[in-house]
Amino acid sequence: AQSVSQHNHHVILSEAASLELGCNYSYGGTVNLFWYVQYPGQHLQLLLKYFSGDPLVKGIKGFEAEFIKSKFSFNLRKPSVQWSDTAEYFCAVKAGGFKTIFGAGTRLFVKA
Amino acid sequence: GAGVSQTPSNKVTEKGKYVELRCDPISGHTALYWYRQSLGQGPEFLIYFQGTGAADDSGLPNDRFFAVRPEGSVSTLKIQRTERGDSAVYLCASSSTGRGLTSGANVLTFGAGSRLTVL
Repeated sequence: AQSVSQHNHHVILSEAASLELGCNYSYGGTVNLFWYVQYPGQHLQLLLKYFSGDPLVKGIKGFEAEFIKSKFSFNLRKPSVQWSDTAEYFCAVKAGGFKTIFGAGTRLFVKA
Repeated sequence: GAGVSQTPSNKVTEKGKYVELRCDPISGHTALYWYRQSLGQGPEFLIYFQGTGAADDSGLPNDRFFAVRPEGSVSTLKIQRTERGDSAVYLCASSSTGRGLTSGANVLTFGAGSRLTVL
């Protein structure tokens, strides 16, 4: 069965620090990959997605993610975080069936 | 509508009672999903509808859970004989299609969720 593993459950950073959140998935075939974000008091929304082509994808608010097929990874990065990036981040995978499977999430707190 | 609408936003009930949670997806979205999110966890897949039919209900935890989408738009998640372990946020999402990996067609738009508390 498909699964998604997020390496960090809680991350605390100061503003301007760089961010990398790890995500690994288990599925050997073609996948669609996503990062969703949930800001405090808001509902889940798409941050960025990978379907095909360039494995480095850009999302909103300066976020990017790199798909490394050989490592089954889709890590999220941002060079310089802001206080407004405080949120919970979910990695997700869809592998041709109906389901999108989510990781357990990483709570990011950015200190002003 | 402009977004995915879920009602009620909060529901408190007693153990053993019956509960219905409603989802109104984005107009024109044929695919509708229900997820459950427990504290500290990511969304857990429950069921997927393509049109009126449940194409994949493999995530429903047991036969106390049932969902319908009779006209291919609004969906209702029904929970019978609620238990304390059913307490969670129930999320609904819709997309323009379901199966396959067609570029752009697999992005989920979520509602705000229905928080269920079973006492």
